Amino acid sequence: QSALTQPASVSGSPGQSITISCTGTSRDVGGYNFVSWYQQHPGKAPKLIIYDVSYRPSGVSNRFSGSKSGNTASLTISGLQAEDEADYYCSSYTTGFNVFGSGTEVTVL
Amino acid sequence: QMQLQESGPGLVKPSGTLSLTCAVYGGSISSSSWWTWVRQPPGKGLEWIGEIYHSGSTYYNPSLKSRVTMSVDKSKNQFSLRLSSVTAADTAVYYCASKISYLDFWGLGTPVTVSS
Repeated sequence: QSALTQPASVSGSPGQSITISCTGTSRDVGGYNFVSWYQQHPGKAPKLIIYDVSYRPSGVSNRFSGSKSGNTASLTISGLQAEDEADYYCSSYTTGFNVFGSGTEVTVL
Repeated sequence: QMQLQESGPGLVKPSGTLSLTCAVYGGSISSSSWWTWVRQPPGKGLEWIGEIYHSGSTYYNPSLKSRVTMSVDKSKNQFSLRLSSVTAADTAVYYCASKISYLDFWGLGTPVTVSS
């Protein structure tokens, strides 16, 4: 089972919006509404920021939003802030288990 | 707020077996969550190892399935991972987490190095 495809890096200036894509297949992203996104700062455990494609857990900033079209899910960060600089991973259910994306490094210029 | 804590040897010899335990605090191992192991090799991305339900049902990553065994100990409110025939490629930070359809609570992670 291959990892979901994410861009290796995305950058933006403070206040801008950026979007990270997560491309899979009809057997994972396209087949289920069980896509989640995780933020990971260096040396820290990942943190859930989006679940079930577009839902935010309590306490997560509304600057984070998720969507899906076909076999591609997307995470948008609006009003980019310095604290958003981190690695981001998507994940999807597939038949029998889950798979992560390859990860995207977000840099705030 | 649930908390999870990994424990186990930080060094395992090649061809040996990696054994880790995850203790669950602030929640019951018999809840509706699936109990999950994820790993991250140095400088690389996350990899789903597998998950177990309190009933003992399991799902394993097909790429690791032949070497992975997971178990639950309800009396101690913890679950465990065993990975056999390890090589240097199994060197990673290992995380345990609770899962509904998403991983909501994570442990801090424990580094494991495979080396002689």
